[in-house]
Amino acid sequence: KAGVTQTPRYLIKTRGQQVTLSCSPISGHRSVSWYQQTPGQGLQFLFEYFSETQRNKGNFPGRFSGRQFSNSRSEMNVSTLELGDSALYLCASSLEQGPLGVGYTFGSGTRLTVV
Amino acid sequence: SQQGEEDPQALSIQEGENATMNCSYKTSINNLQWYRQNSGRGLVHLILIRSNEREKHSGRLRVTLDTSKKSSSLLITASRAADTASYFCATVILTGGGNKLTFGTGTQLKVEL
Repeated sequence: KAGVTQTPRYLIKTRGQQVTLSCSPISGHRSVSWYQQTPGQGLQFLFEYFSETQRNKGNFPGRFSGRQFSNSRSEMNVSTLELGDSALYLCASSLEQGPLGVGYTFGSGTRLTVV
Repeated sequence: SQQGEEDPQALSIQEGENATMNCSYKTSINNLQWYRQNSGRGLVHLILIRSNEREKHSGRLRVTLDTSKKSSSLLITASRAADTASYFCATVILTGGGNKLTFGTGTQLKVEL
């Protein structure tokens, strides 16, 4: 079966702009989570969605938002981009609500560069 | 914030040798997972060990968990050049509203021919 698909793979945006990243989970997976990876902060949890509801949120400013659609596809949006938002954004899907029994399956990520 | 610290930060070994990575965490967990990442790509799930388990095997991987010391180790036996990657431990803590992975700082493993 197809894996987790993230689009686009690479993105260059200008400070002050906004960006939307997309994630299609594995078919049948209802939990989708987003992570930010930077050299300085490592892997940081952004938020988790399950059945279109945000169930958990990390310590990121309100400029970071997300949503999940009825087909479990998820988008995350970052408004008013800052240079520090440059990162690899990873999406992960799980069959259950959170990885209690099995691990997450990650997408290849979207590399965002803010100039 | 990161739950775990991994040790060593970087490890370089020869093909065929064993590689051991350690992970320490701060709070009680539901389970601990290990992931591999190649060159800034996505993470690949390797193995999950629950808090009531002490050891788990999967192929050339062996994971141990010591909840009293809040630590885990990942052993890769008979390493290959293809094992060159970054390895992360991640903990899962039960919360009232969903769960999340909290990652450690990672160990960069280089396996040389």
